[in-house]
Amino acid sequence: DTEVTQTPKHLVMGMTNKKSLKCEQHMGHRAMYWYKQKAKKPPELMFVYSYEKLSINESVPSRFSPECPNSSLLNLHLHALQPEDSALYLCASSQEGQGISPLHFGNGTRLTVT
Amino acid sequence: DQQVKQNSPSLSVQEGRISILNCDYTNSMFDYFLWYKKYPAEGPTFLISISSIKDKNEDGRFTVFLNKSAKHLSLHIVPSQPGDSAVYFCAASARGNQGGKLIFGQGTELSVKP
Repeated sequence: DTEVTQTPKHLVMGMTNKKSLKCEQHMGHRAMYWYKQKAKKPPELMFVYSYEKLSINESVPSRFSPECPNSSLLNLHLHALQPEDSALYLCASSQEGQGISPLHFGNGTRLTVT
Repeated sequence: DQQVKQNSPSLSVQEGRISILNCDYTNSMFDYFLWYKKYPAEGPTFLISISSIKDKNEDGRFTVFLNKSAKHLSLHIVPSQPGDSAVYFCAASARGNQGGKLIFGQGTELSVKP
């Protein structure tokens, strides 16, 4: 069982829909991340939150909007997505920064944009 | 520019034998290396890490070797088990750089045959 919980597991949305992905961890980790992963490819970093503040945005289009309501929760708000945004969206957390301590990943949300 | 390379997309090994997964990197500033395992429909799971001050780290059946002069690391799994069949990603970062971005390789799909 993963200690990072992501909901929903699967999501199908149209290009005009607004939806949100949710992530929760109770390990006391101070850094949380959103990654995107396409089939047969490595995870691609999207956003990093450190101590509930956005510290890295990897030039992600504004149709993806992250939010960190508290140290245990991380959301990713989706609006006006494109079919090419279909992917596995992974949330991760770490005790310290990503290059200092291991990332713990959730099982992801499989997103399909129609 | 791919800073972390896994040149073998796939590897097939007989159960009970040793699996050796290889990873090369180009950035001499990298000082922290990790291996992750990923099953289909799950997030990556942290396996083992190594700091650049070491050349070997062992955890049960898993051993990571680091050759800094060759900018090469490898993951040895012995004995290999069918449950080890998964995609393995190596990752690297420059920790000294305030916890730099984690860079993933492209992954190697390991198949352990009974």
